[in-house]
Amino acid sequence: DVKVTQSSRYLVKRTGEKVFLECVQDMDHENMFWYRQDPGLGLRLIYFSYDVKMKEKGDIPEGYSVSREKKERFSLILESASTNQTSMYLCASSLRQGAKEVWDTEAFFGQGTRLTVV
Amino acid sequence: AQSVSQHNHHVILSEAASLELGCNYSYGGTVNLFWYVQYPGQHLQLLLKYFSGDPLVKGIKGFEAEFIKSKFSFNLRKPSVQWSDTAEYFCAVSSYNTDKLIFGTGTRLQVFP
Repeated sequence: DVKVTQSSRYLVKRTGEKVFLECVQDMDHENMFWYRQDPGLGLRLIYFSYDVKMKEKGDIPEGYSVSREKKERFSLILESASTNQTSMYLCASSLRQGAKEVWDTEAFFGQGTRLTVV
Repeated sequence: AQSVSQHNHHVILSEAASLELGCNYSYGGTVNLFWYVQYPGQHLQLLLKYFSGDPLVKGIKGFEAEFIKSKFSFNLRKPSVQWSDTAEYFCAVSSYNTDKLIFGTGTRLQVFP
């Protein structure tokens, strides 16, 4: 069973703090994703990583950075938290298409981290 | 760039009614298409996916979706919904040459007994 684990379910941080959200997957997936989920806006991609140290900006990268030093771990960093970053953050992972001769890959999600910035 | 539109934001149905949720994407090349579901308090899970072959795809819990390339659509259907189908449904797309996965805004489905 694929497991994507996010380090915290709930976080409360102060405006201006540097915030780290951690995500670990145990299935040797090449791809990892960070999304934020807001009512009426769906899931919006913040960053996508397709390999160790490789990353690609998503639709809303402003105010965020990421780190992928090891294949299984993908961290989302809020450099200076602001109240408009209060949201549910979802991490996901998937196999690269064609890896291990699998072409119809799918993403697996963690439980999410609800971040409140006060 | 890829994008996904889900025009039904909130759908309310009675049990046994038929369901169709719309999904349109914009991308000129070959795409992979997905429907995910999020039950209250739970994480997102895959309902079904289309990569190639038969454009009518069957998923879990009696759901199916049809890929119509000419309409850039991948609508989700279920002939008879149950109260337990109450959830939020998300359509997603990735292109053939990248695994970057883009989601729509979601459709909240409420089913009443």
